[in-house]
Order: sequence, then structure tokens, then C-alpha cells
Amino acid sequence: EIVLTQSPATLSLSPGERATLSCRASQSISIYLAWYQQKPGQAPRLLIYDASNRATGIPARFSGSGSGTDFSLTISSLEPEDFAVYYCQQRAGWPLTFGGGTKVEIK
Amino acid sequence: EVHLVESGGGLVEPGGSLRLSCAASGFTFSTSSLNWVRQAPGKGLEWVSSISGGSTYLNYADSVRGRFTISRDDAKNSLYLEMNSLTAEDTAVYYCARVGRGGNEYGSGSYDCWGQGTLVIVSS
Repeated sequence: EIVLTQSPATLSLSPGERATLSCRASQSISIYLAWYQQKPGQAPRLLIYDASNRATGIPARFSGSGSGTDFSLTISSLEPEDFAVYYCQQRAGWPLTFGGGTKVEIK
Repeated sequence: EVHLVESGGGLVEPGGSLRLSCAASGFTFSTSSLNWVRQAPGKGLEWVSSISGGSTYLNYADSVRGRFTISRDDAKNSLYLEMNSLTAEDTAVYYCARVGRGGNEYGSGSYDCWGQGTLVIVSS
């Protein structure tokens, strides 16, 4: 099983600041990584697929990078609606797995 | 507009069974891969099962293999999850999710559309 480790667990930032979230895979997954945003009481929303491709309708302030085992999600300037939990997910091998999540909270 | 709506959740006793449904609209259902993903209360996301277009490929998490069965009815644009021998560890919100771009023919990929989820509580 491919284990995804997200860090930090919690990120405390102010609106307007830059957020950088990390996701590390236990083995190489090429570029087969996605990022999701989830707000309380809501289903997750796809932000990035295949490491760096923004999903439809996702603002340009969200960007993804990485390949192999190390990936990152960057939010260039936090908007109030960006405070949420973020998950990474790999599709390189079965079982599909998610990271444990990073909570981005208001400082 | 792509839309997924789950139903069938509820309270069930340990050892019991439940069948979840997911009604889809707004896209070509028959050729789409679909997955079930669950989230225990206050916890992260866990992939449960996937089914490819045409039901050619089925996959399950080890935690549910042999107890859960995924299926689809393309004529009804519906996805199902038959759950048997339920335990407290199966308590979660169950989401159906469509594999979008960044997917393959085996049923895996990233999920570009999610339902609102249906809550399953396993308790006596």
C-alpha cells in the first residue's frame, strides 16, 4: 500500500498569506497525485489532478507541483474561503489512498 | 450539470446489511468509472471500492473485500454498494465519486464530482 504523509497537520495563516502544503509518498507515484479541499459538512472538491493540472473552475491562486515522492500544493494568497482541510490522493496503485489531511486555519 | 445523489444510509445493527445507491445525471454514465469513498466521523477520507465503465474492473479496499459489493445499472444511471456483515468500523459518510480527467480504464483516477454523501451508522 502506498502511504501518503501530509505535513504540516495544521497550518495557521492570515488572509493574504502564502500557504504551502506537502504530501510525501512512500514510493514513487510518478505524477499520479490529486489534491482536494473539504469544508465542514461538505463533500471534497477536486483542486488539482496529475500533480499540477488545475481542475475546472479552480482559481489560479491554487497550484500543484512535484513528481515521484514529493508533492506540494501552494495557495499564493489565501482568501477567506480557502480556510479548510486539504487532502492528497494517489492513483498510481491499488489500493487508492489519501493522505491524512492538512487543516489550514485562520491565525 | 454533473450531479450525484446518494441514498440508502441509516442506522443498522452490527452484523447487518445495507444497500447504498447513487443516482447520476448530467454525463455519460455508462462509460464513466465510479468509486465509493467513505469518511468516518471526524476522520479523513478512505477509498472503498471502484468500478470501471462496463463493469470490467472492480476493486476493493482490504477492509471491505468479501463483505461489500459494488455494482452499477447503466440503464438506470445508478451505482450501488451492497454492504454485509457491518461493524462499528464501517460507520461513516459514504460518498460516490466520478473519476474525471486523470483516470484510467481500470477505474482509478481523481474524482471531479462527488455526491453529498449518505451517513451509515452501525450500532446496537
